[in-house]
Amino acid sequence: GQQLNQSPQSMFIQEGEDVSMNCTSSSIFNTWLWYKQEPGEGPVLLIALYKAGELTSNGRLTAQFGITRKDSFLNISASIPSDVGIYFCAGQGGGSEKLVFGKGTKLTVNP
Amino acid sequence: SAVISQKPSRDICQRGTSLTIQCQVDSQVTMMFWYRQQPGQSLTLIATANQGSEATYESGFVIDKFPISRPNLTFSTLTVSNMSPEDSSIYLCSVGYGYTFGSGTRLTVV
Repeated sequence: GQQLNQSPQSMFIQEGEDVSMNCTSSSIFNTWLWYKQEPGEGPVLLIALYKAGELTSNGRLTAQFGITRKDSFLNISASIPSDVGIYFCAGQGGGSEKLVFGKGTKLTVNP
Repeated sequence: SAVISQKPSRDICQRGTSLTIQCQVDSQVTMMFWYRQQPGQSLTLIATANQGSEATYESGFVIDKFPISRPNLTFSTLTVSNMSPEDSSIYLCSVGYGYTFGSGTRLTVV
């Protein structure tokens, strides 16, 4: 079945640093989604991408839909302590409306 | 976007018992989705629930173990039946094809 490879698995950074994480797949997706999950909560949608090559920002977050439709990345600029959490990518499409999730990137920000 | 109220938020259950998780949405939705998130893992779709029809289960999940009800367009329940420690996970409902999630139910089976 479809699988997403999300990396890195975890990141430890200093406040103020920029962060980059990505997801790749052997399958083509029509939509890429990025979520943040905090302890005790469900995932919250951060950015949705619908078109190959699309670059979308949400505050300090920027995400891109890869040209090949098989990858996406998320950047966080000038990280702050409240950015701590697990970030998940998800792909949708390829003949199915179901979401396929990456395994997550756990982000720790040291003040 | 829709707001989902999910309960209970957590529970500790004895093996062999069953737990029913509820999700209430503040607007009418055609499809609701149930996910499982095992400790330290990603989200796996259990089933898709349409109002007025049987839920559609993903490979590896069966109705006897995870019966789902969808009595109307704003409500759904997932039951985890005959629980074992391997069922210890976070269970989440979702609408909008995953665009909105409930806050999850953290289940521990002892």
